[in-house]
Amino acid sequence: DAGVIQSPRHEVTEMGQEVTLRCKPISGHDYLFWYRQTMMRGLELLIYFNNNVPIDDSGMPEDRFSAKMPNASFSTLKIQPSEPRDSAVYFCASTSGAGYTFGSGTRLTVV
Amino acid sequence: AQKVTQAQTEISVVEKEDVTLDCVYETRDTTYYLFWYKQPPSGELVFLIRRNSFDEQNEISGRYSWNFQKSTSSFNFTITASQVVDSAVYFCALSEGGGGSYIPTFGRGTSLIVHP
Repeated sequence: DAGVIQSPRHEVTEMGQEVTLRCKPISGHDYLFWYRQTMMRGLELLIYFNNNVPIDDSGMPEDRFSAKMPNASFSTLKIQPSEPRDSAVYFCASTSGAGYTFGSGTRLTVV
Repeated sequence: AQKVTQAQTEISVVEKEDVTLDCVYETRDTTYYLFWYKQPPSGELVFLIRRNSFDEQNEISGRYSWNFQKSTSSFNFTITASQVVDSAVYFCALSEGGGGSYIPTFGRGTSLIVHP
């Protein structure tokens, strides 16, 4: 298996633009997590899905953030409109209940 | 609520020294999992170990060893004969599995710098 695949690896966008981050979990994993990593707050859980259903989105900072998982092999995290304070590394992770496997992350810079 | 504390923000050692990274956790569940992850300068999060709450056996993997003590709610990580390639940020994490959800909570990380 290729592991958890995230795209893009780097994204630079202007304030106010829409940003979409993508994640392909490991096949067979029924949990998917989106995390955000910043120096100030460390690794924060934004939202997680179980069997494609959002279970807890209490970590999503604002209504500007939304996440979907239309099928077992794909999830998106969208920020609209983006702001400079959204600059961070966004990680996707998946698990079937054993170890968690993380993607390589998307480094987002909003200027 | 689950909580993970890594009190050491940064540790600096010279190559070949042994170093222990501390992790203290809080949970009310009797079933939980503990993890260590490594984040090298390249940025990815690399899984190192998972331990469940019913298995207090210490584990050794090469130069790495882990000491799990439920009595002190600690899951410490020791690197023996450290090397420059060990320089990274190390995260301890806790996942409560009793309710069927596996939401990992991460500590703030310990930055390990190994000097040649």
